[in-house]
Amino acid sequence: AQKVTQAQTEISVVEKEDVTLDCVYETRDTTYYLFWYKQPPSGELVFLIRRNSFDEQNEISGRYSWNFQKSTSSFNFTITASQVVDSAVYFCALSGYGGSQGNLIFGKGTKLSVKP
Amino acid sequence: DGGITQSPKYLFRKEGQNVTLSCEQNLNHDAMYWYRQDPGQGLRLIYYSQIVNDFQKGDIAEGYSVSREKKESFPLTVTSAQKNPTAFYLCASSSYTDSGANVLTFGAGSRLTVL
Repeated sequence: AQKVTQAQTEISVVEKEDVTLDCVYETRDTTYYLFWYKQPPSGELVFLIRRNSFDEQNEISGRYSWNFQKSTSSFNFTITASQVVDSAVYFCALSGYGGSQGNLIFGKGTKLSVKP
Repeated sequence: DGGITQSPKYLFRKEGQNVTLSCEQNLNHDAMYWYRQDPGQGLRLIYYSQIVNDFQKGDIAEGYSVSREKKESFPLTVTSAQKNPTAFYLCASSSYTDSGANVLTFGAGSRLTVL
């Protein structure tokens, strides 16, 4: 069975702090995809990143970076120098290859609050 | 601008009533999806459709129905058979591929409250 665990329910930081959101996944597929989405208070989920299981290179995009480690089945997300606008719920998600399309398995989300 | 429009944003319903949530996209995406979000529970797939006039049940389809008569539209009906319908409903779409790499574009959601 596929499963995504985001153990951190809520995190609160002060602006300019670095923060890491944890994501641990379970799957028996050898080919799979991992995603991070951001849900601001407006409610609409916004795509942040997609990573396939064969690409373990870490990725950096501005203040955002992602650390994918197959050995520990983790796909952690770090925000450097956090800002108030980063306040949102962040979801990690997993998708197997083929099969039912769109059946992303979502974690329960981590609510990040960045205080000025 | 291309995107997904969901309506209404807020909806109140009495027990025993059916309600229909609208979802329209102008992204020319083949696939469309409905998710349900409950507090602290993440998102769960209700139904999805890869092509017009075809759709499949997701993990929690009981008490819901959908139709896909047009590529742009994928309305969701919450029937009186749904025992706990109060939730936030999100519609999404994606280009169809035969891998699991679909990036979903989401609408702003519809919040349904049963009185």
